[in-house]
Amino acid sequence: KQEVTQIPAALSVPEGENLVLNCSFTDSAIYNLQWFRQDPGKGLTSLLLIQSSQREQTSGRLNASLDKSSGRSTLYIAASQPGDSATYLCAVRQGGSEKLVFGKGTKLTVNP
Amino acid sequence: DVKVTQSSRYLVKRTGEKVFLECVQDMDHENMFWYRQDPGLGLRLIYFSYDVKMKEKGDIPEGYSVSREKKERFSLILESASTNQTSMYLCASSLVGATNEKLFFGSGTQLSVL
Repeated sequence: KQEVTQIPAALSVPEGENLVLNCSFTDSAIYNLQWFRQDPGKGLTSLLLIQSSQREQTSGRLNASLDKSSGRSTLYIAASQPGDSATYLCAVRQGGSEKLVFGKGTKLTVNP
Repeated sequence: DVKVTQSSRYLVKRTGEKVFLECVQDMDHENMFWYRQDPGLGLRLIYFSYDVKMKEKGDIPEGYSVSREKKERFSLILESASTNQTSMYLCASSLVGATNEKLFFGSGTQLSVL
């Protein structure tokens, strides 16, 4: 059974810092991996999707990488801003399934 | 932009009531999902539907049922609400069979069962 882990559960950084969020998964037979952002009391917004054949995806200050063989993905946020404060979740879509398995998220706080 | 709309932002119900949570998407997505989210437990899949009238149990289907009579609408039903069903409920949709298709979520319904 696929398990997705995100460490740390919470992270606090000063504004302007570059930071990395980590995601690991136990079964490398994935179709894709998504990173989501969730603001308090709201739904999730998909930030980046990496297909199993890709190594990374970029959107603005965000860069997500995927290493299937080691079961790891990272989300890099450059020049962090207070508006980046949110919970970030990763999720993997298994081979042969339409369903996603989610990690529990990393709560990021960017201090002005 | 894809829009996934959940009918209620907040709901307060009594134990034993029958509760309907409605979700509508406007992008002709085949897949629709119901999750619940609880502190410390993360997102857990309740039910999944890949087509009209088709459904599949997720990880925690007990105490819930679903209905998908039209492609755009997916309803979650709590037959007899209990206090342990107090939670944030999230609906989502996606295209079927596409390796690069994102999952789109609604804003969530915070349900309190008293």
